[in-house]
Amino acid sequence: GAVVSQHPSRVICKSGTSVKIECRSLDFQATTMFWYRQFPKQSLMLMATSNEGSKATYEQGVEKDKFLINHASLTLSTLTVTSAHPEDSSFYICSARAPRQGNTIYFGEGSWLTVV
Amino acid sequence: ELKVEQNPLFLSMQEGKNYTIYCNYSTTSDRLYWYRQDPGKSLESLFVLLSNGAVKQEGRLMASLDTKARLSTLHITAAVHDLSATYFCAESTLIQGAQKLVFGQGTRLTINP
Repeated sequence: GAVVSQHPSRVICKSGTSVKIECRSLDFQATTMFWYRQFPKQSLMLMATSNEGSKATYEQGVEKDKFLINHASLTLSTLTVTSAHPEDSSFYICSARAPRQGNTIYFGEGSWLTVV
Repeated sequence: ELKVEQNPLFLSMQEGKNYTIYCNYSTTSDRLYWYRQDPGKSLESLFVLLSNGAVKQEGRLMASLDTKARLSTLHITAAVHDLSATYFCAESTLIQGAQKLVFGQGTRLTINP
């Protein structure tokens, strides 16, 4: 079956630094990928929609300059958290739509970010 | 305003009992998803419901969809401890020309021996 892989699964970074999270569709091409953030004991909140070859579409309240999204190929989207602060610590989950599988959406394993 | 509301948000039940989680959504949706999330993990897809009256079953879990009432249910039969997890429903809907998933708040299910 289709698999979406995220890397790293856990990362700790210092305040003020940037950290990049990768989301890969391993056996299908994904023109659209989604990035979510989930705080403890809360639901998933959509941050942005990543479109291959074009700019990402951000949800209201999400800072474009802080959460940089790049979708340079049909199998890879990256989320870079710039100038990270402790309040950015969260669980980040990506998902990818598989257009040749009835637009089924597959989720990555998630990435835990801790900013110290 | 787009809303997906789950009820209840917390559920503690005994093994062997039956219960239902409800998911109300606010828009005309073409798909309704149910996911399971274990602590510290990502989402595991349980069901995708595509049409009015759709019913799907997997083991002790059964999901149904009523598009007229904008309601989906996840029924648990003879619960076992391994089903303890947080369950999310999500509707797939077109928002400003883009297809997106809108999640409910989640239902944290604890099944006691």
